[in-house]
Amino acid sequence: AQTVTQSQPEMSVQEAETVTLSCTYDTSENNYYLFWYKQPPSRQMILVIRQEAYKQQNATENRFSVNFQKAAKSFSLKISDSQLGDTAMYFCAFMSEGGSEKLVFGKGTKLTVNP
Amino acid sequence: NAGVTQTPKFRVLKTGQSMTLLCAQDMNHEYMYWYRQDPGMGLRLIHYSVGEGTTAKGEVPDGYNVSRLKKQNFLLGLESAAPSQTSVYFCASSYFRTGRTEAFFGQGTRLTVV
Repeated sequence: AQTVTQSQPEMSVQEAETVTLSCTYDTSENNYYLFWYKQPPSRQMILVIRQEAYKQQNATENRFSVNFQKAAKSFSLKISDSQLGDTAMYFCAFMSEGGSEKLVFGKGTKLTVNP
Repeated sequence: NAGVTQTPKFRVLKTGQSMTLLCAQDMNHEYMYWYRQDPGMGLRLIHYSVGEGTTAKGEVPDGYNVSRLKKQNFLLGLESAAPSQTSVYFCASSYFRTGRTEAFFGQGTRLTVV
Protein backbone atom coordinates (compact mmCIF):
# COMPACT_ATOMS: atom_id res chain seq x y z
CA ALA A 1 0.00 0.00 0.00
CA GLN A 2 1.16 3.49 -0.77
CA THR A 3 1.99 5.85 2.07
CA VAL A 4 2.78 9.55 2.16
CA THR A 5 4.85 11.08 4.95
CA GLN A 6 5.13 14.74 5.83
CA SER A 7 7.69 14.99 8.59
CA GLN A 8 7.12 18.65 9.47
CA PRO A 9 3.85 19.14 11.39
CA GLU A 10 4.40 22.90 11.59
CA MET A 11 6.64 25.46 9.94
CA SER A 12 6.92 29.21 9.90
CA VAL A 13 8.57 31.69 7.56
CA GLN A 14 8.94 35.43 7.33
CA GLU A 15 7.10 37.27 4.62
CA ALA A 16 9.09 37.48 1.36
CA GLU A 17 11.39 34.61 2.33
CA THR A 18 11.57 31.11 0.90
CA VAL A 19 10.39 27.95 2.61
CA THR A 20 10.53 24.28 1.66
CA LEU A 21 8.02 21.68 2.78
CA SER A 22 9.08 18.05 2.75
CA CYS A 23 7.20 15.01 1.51
CA THR A 24 8.28 11.43 1.02
CA TYR A 25 6.21 8.57 -0.28
CA ASP A 26 6.41 4.85 -0.63
CA THR A 27 5.26 2.94 -3.68
CA SER A 28 6.37 0.07 -5.85
CA GLU A 29 4.77 1.57 -8.94
CA ASN A 30 6.59 3.33 -11.72
CA ASN A 31 3.85 5.61 -13.00
CA TYR A 32 1.93 7.86 -10.67
CA TYR A 33 0.98 11.44 -9.87
CA LEU A 34 1.98 13.65 -6.98
CA PHE A 35 0.19 16.73 -5.72
CA TRP A 36 0.46 19.53 -3.23
CA TYR A 37 -2.85 20.87 -1.92
CA LYS A 38 -3.33 24.01 0.15
CA GLN A 39 -6.06 24.24 2.78
CA PRO A 40 -6.47 27.76 4.19
CA PRO A 41 -8.62 28.45 7.27
CA SER A 42 -11.65 28.59 4.98
CA ARG A 43 -11.26 24.78 4.68
CA GLN A 44 -11.27 24.88 0.88
CA MET A 45 -8.84 22.37 -0.67
CA ILE A 46 -6.92 24.07 -3.46
CA LEU A 47 -4.55 22.35 -5.85
CA VAL A 48 -1.17 24.10 -5.74
CA ILE A 49 0.92 21.98 -8.06
CA ARG A 50 0.92 18.61 -9.78
CA GLN A 51 3.75 16.34 -10.95
CA GLU A 52 3.60 13.36 -13.26
CA ALA A 53 6.16 10.76 -12.28
CA TYR A 54 7.23 10.02 -15.84
CA LYS A 55 8.17 13.66 -16.37
CA GLN A 56 11.68 14.36 -15.13
CA GLN A 57 11.25 18.11 -15.25
CA ASN A 58 10.14 19.62 -11.96
CA ALA A 59 6.76 21.33 -12.05
CA THR A 60 6.48 25.05 -11.35
CA GLU A 61 3.50 27.35 -10.82
CA ASN A 62 4.50 30.97 -10.30
CA ARG A 63 6.07 31.16 -6.80
CA PHE A 64 5.57 27.43 -6.19
CA SER A 65 7.98 24.78 -7.41
CA VAL A 66 8.77 21.20 -6.54
CA ASN A 67 11.91 19.16 -6.21
CA PHE A 68 10.92 15.71 -7.43
CA GLN A 69 13.47 13.00 -6.73
CA LYS A 70 11.96 9.80 -8.05
CA ALA A 71 14.70 7.45 -6.91
CA ALA A 72 14.59 8.88 -3.41
CA LYS A 73 10.77 9.02 -3.48
CA SER A 74 10.87 12.62 -2.39
CA PHE A 75 8.57 15.45 -3.45
CA SER A 76 9.27 18.74 -1.68
CA LEU A 77 7.45 22.03 -2.24
CA LYS A 78 9.33 25.31 -2.38
CA ILE A 79 7.44 28.55 -1.86
CA SER A 80 9.37 31.63 -2.93
CA ASP A 81 8.62 35.21 -1.85
CA SER A 82 6.20 33.95 0.81
CA GLN A 83 3.03 35.97 1.26
CA LEU A 84 0.64 36.24 4.20
CA GLY A 85 -2.00 34.52 2.07
CA ASP A 86 0.20 31.42 1.90
CA THR A 87 -0.64 30.70 5.55
CA ALA A 88 -2.45 27.36 5.41
CA MET A 89 -2.22 23.61 5.87
CA TYR A 90 -0.34 21.98 3.02
CA PHE A 91 -1.02 18.38 2.06
CA CYS A 92 1.12 16.20 -0.11
CA ALA A 93 -0.85 13.53 -2.02
CA PHE A 94 -0.15 10.53 -4.24
CA MET A 95 -2.21 8.74 -6.84
CA SER A 96 -1.26 5.71 -8.86
CA GLU A 97 -1.63 5.71 -12.64
CA GLY A 98 -3.66 2.53 -12.67
CA GLY A 99 -5.78 0.63 -10.21
CA SER A 100 -7.17 2.39 -7.16
CA GLU A 101 -8.91 5.75 -7.49
CA LYS A 102 -7.65 6.68 -4.08
CA LEU A 103 -5.74 9.90 -3.48
CA VAL A 104 -3.39 9.08 -0.58
CA PHE A 105 -2.76 12.12 1.57
CA GLY A 106 -0.04 12.93 4.05
CA LYS A 107 -0.97 14.30 7.45
CA GLY A 108 -0.21 17.85 6.46
CA THR A 109 2.15 20.68 7.37
CA LYS A 110 0.80 23.81 8.97
CA LEU A 111 2.62 26.78 7.45
CA THR A 112 2.48 30.22 9.04
CA VAL A 113 3.81 33.24 7.20
CA ASN A 114 4.78 35.99 9.62
CA PRO A 115 4.74 39.70 8.73
CA ASN B 1 -19.69 28.82 -11.91
CA ALA B 2 -20.46 27.40 -8.48
CA GLY B 3 -18.01 24.49 -8.90
CA VAL B 4 -18.59 21.91 -6.18
CA THR B 5 -21.25 22.72 -3.60
CA GLN B 6 -21.84 20.77 -0.41
CA THR B 7 -25.00 20.92 1.67
CA PRO B 8 -25.13 21.42 4.62
CA LYS B 9 -21.98 23.20 5.83
CA PHE B 10 -22.45 22.19 9.47
CA ARG B 11 -24.57 19.62 11.25
CA VAL B 12 -24.91 18.15 14.72
CA LEU B 13 -26.47 14.69 15.00
CA LYS B 14 -27.40 12.51 17.90
CA THR B 15 -26.06 8.96 17.97
CA GLY B 16 -28.33 6.72 15.92
CA GLN B 17 -29.81 9.48 13.76
CA SER B 18 -29.55 9.41 10.01
CA MET B 19 -28.69 12.10 7.52
CA THR B 20 -27.70 12.69 3.92
CA LEU B 21 -24.97 14.98 2.67
CA LEU B 22 -25.48 16.39 -0.79
CA CYS B 23 -22.72 17.19 -3.24
CA ALA B 24 -23.54 19.01 -6.45
CA GLN B 25 -21.16 19.93 -9.28
CA ASP B 26 -21.90 22.01 -12.33
CA MET B 27 -18.78 21.17 -14.36
CA ASN B 28 -20.15 18.06 -16.10
CA HIS B 29 -17.55 15.94 -14.34
CA GLU B 30 -17.69 12.16 -14.59
CA TYR B 31 -15.83 11.31 -11.39
CA MET B 32 -17.02 12.23 -7.91
CA TYR B 33 -15.57 11.42 -4.50
CA TRP B 34 -16.37 11.61 -0.80
CA TYR B 35 -13.49 12.05 1.66
CA ARG B 36 -13.36 12.50 5.39
CA GLN B 37 -10.76 14.58 7.17
CA ASP B 38 -9.83 13.82 10.75
CA PRO B 39 -7.27 15.70 12.87
CA GLY B 40 -3.76 14.51 12.16
CA MET B 41 -4.85 12.03 9.50
CA GLY B 42 -5.16 13.94 6.25
CA LEU B 43 -8.06 12.99 3.95
CA ARG B 44 -9.30 9.44 3.43
CA LEU B 45 -11.53 8.23 0.63
CA ILE B 46 -14.95 6.91 1.71
CA HIS B 47 -16.70 6.16 -1.61
CA TYR B 48 -16.40 7.30 -5.17
CA SER B 49 -18.25 7.20 -8.46
CA VAL B 50 -16.87 7.00 -12.01
CA GLY B 51 -20.14 7.96 -13.64
CA GLU B 52 -23.88 8.28 -13.27
CA GLY B 53 -25.40 5.19 -11.70
CA THR B 54 -22.06 3.78 -10.48
CA THR B 55 -20.48 3.76 -7.03
CA ALA B 56 -17.50 2.04 -5.45
CA LYS B 57 -15.95 1.66 -2.02
CA GLY B 58 -12.90 3.61 -0.98
CA GLU B 59 -10.60 3.23 1.98
CA VAL B 60 -13.09 3.76 4.84
CA PRO B 61 -16.60 2.87 3.55
CA ASP B 62 -18.11 1.24 6.66
CA GLY B 63 -21.14 3.05 8.05
CA TYR B 64 -21.75 5.05 4.86
CA ASN B 65 -23.80 4.59 1.72
CA VAL B 66 -23.77 6.62 -1.48
CA SER B 67 -25.86 7.14 -4.56
CA ARG B 68 -25.23 8.80 -7.94
CA LEU B 69 -28.65 8.90 -9.57
CA LYS B 70 -27.82 12.07 -11.49
CA LYS B 71 -24.46 12.91 -12.99
CA GLN B 72 -24.23 16.21 -11.16
CA ASN B 73 -25.13 14.90 -7.70
CA PHE B 74 -23.38 12.52 -5.31
CA LEU B 75 -25.12 11.76 -2.02
CA LEU B 76 -23.47 10.43 1.11
CA GLY B 77 -25.74 8.80 3.66
CA LEU B 78 -25.25 7.89 7.29
CA GLU B 79 -27.96 5.43 8.33
CA SER B 80 -27.14 5.32 12.05
CA ALA B 81 -24.63 7.97 13.06
CA ALA B 82 -21.88 7.12 15.54
CA PRO B 83 -19.48 9.44 17.41
CA SER B 84 -16.62 7.94 15.35
CA GLN B 85 -18.18 9.60 12.30
CA THR B 86 -17.54 13.05 13.72
CA SER B 87 -15.37 14.56 11.03
CA VAL B 88 -15.14 17.07 8.22
CA TYR B 89 -16.47 15.63 4.98
CA PHE B 90 -15.27 16.76 1.57
CA CYS B 91 -16.75 16.08 -1.80
CA ALA B 92 -14.61 16.34 -4.92
CA SER B 93 -15.14 15.93 -8.63
CA SER B 94 -12.98 15.60 -11.71
CA TYR B 95 -13.61 15.35 -15.45
CA PHE B 96 -11.60 12.20 -15.71
CA ARG B 97 -9.54 10.16 -13.31
CA THR B 98 -7.83 12.34 -10.72
CA GLY B 99 -4.22 12.55 -11.70
CA ARG B 100 -4.88 13.04 -15.37
CA THR B 101 -7.21 15.93 -14.54
CA GLU B 102 -7.56 18.18 -11.55
CA ALA B 103 -9.96 17.31 -8.75
CA PHE B 104 -12.06 20.20 -7.47
CA PHE B 105 -13.17 20.13 -3.85
CA GLY B 106 -16.22 21.49 -2.07
CA GLN B 107 -15.86 23.58 1.07
CA GLY B 108 -16.55 20.72 3.41
CA THR B 109 -19.25 19.72 5.89
CA ARG B 110 -18.40 19.69 9.56
CA LEU B 111 -20.40 16.90 11.18
CA THR B 112 -20.53 16.34 14.92
CA VAL B 113 -22.18 13.23 16.35
CA VAL B 114 -22.99 13.46 20.05
